[in-house]
Amino acid sequence: GAGVSQSPRYKVAKRGQDVALRCDPISGHVSLFWYQQALGQGPEFLTYFQNEAQLDKSGLPSDRFFAERPEGSVSTLKIQRTQQEDSAVYLCASSPRVDSSSYNEQFFGPGTRLTVL
Amino acid sequence: GDSVTQMEGPVTLSEEAFLTINCTYTATGYPSLFWYVQYPGEGLQLLLKATKADDKGSNKGFEATYRKETTSFHLEKGSVQVSDSAVYFCALSKYNFNKFYFGSGTKLNVKP
Repeated sequence: GAGVSQSPRYKVAKRGQDVALRCDPISGHVSLFWYQQALGQGPEFLTYFQNEAQLDKSGLPSDRFFAERPEGSVSTLKIQRTQQEDSAVYLCASSPRVDSSSYNEQFFGPGTRLTVL
Repeated sequence: GDSVTQMEGPVTLSEEAFLTINCTYTATGYPSLFWYVQYPGEGLQLLLKATKADDKGSNKGFEATYRKETTSFHLEKGSVQVSDSAVYFCALSKYNFNKFYFGSGTKLNVKP
């Protein structure tokens, strides 16, 4: 079946531009996560949705970063007034259940590589 | 704060060699520990996990044992294959499994 998809796969933006990154989770998955992966580093948590509710946004690095999931399915990560330090791979992951007492595997998409010039 | 430290790469081995990738963690409480793998051009995939001390996770010939006394979760494989070439990430999660802390990744190159 289809996995998590992200678009675009590559994005080049000039400093100061706004960008929008899309994530299509696996159909029916309740939980959705965004991570930022800088070059040579591991992914770092940005934010987490359960259905349409954003339950944790503690990892968003500044108020220029905004994420939404209005219908509990597709999610968009928006970055306003991009800066060079925003250059990274942005990963999306989805998970099928809500049970927080046990591990629910996160299925990762291929990521969007953002380059800010 | 909570964090994961893993050995730097790249690690280059010949086929059928023994593999160890070291991972240590810092965390309060009782985290769950994971190894993820990223093959070239693909997304991260769960390789194995252990949710409590002394548990051993295993998959595809890879193993890792949760050692609370040494705060470690080293990844091992007795005989690597060329197809194991990938980047390996150690990670931890606590409480509600909704937030993961990843190490910086270790690239493994296996040569025929």
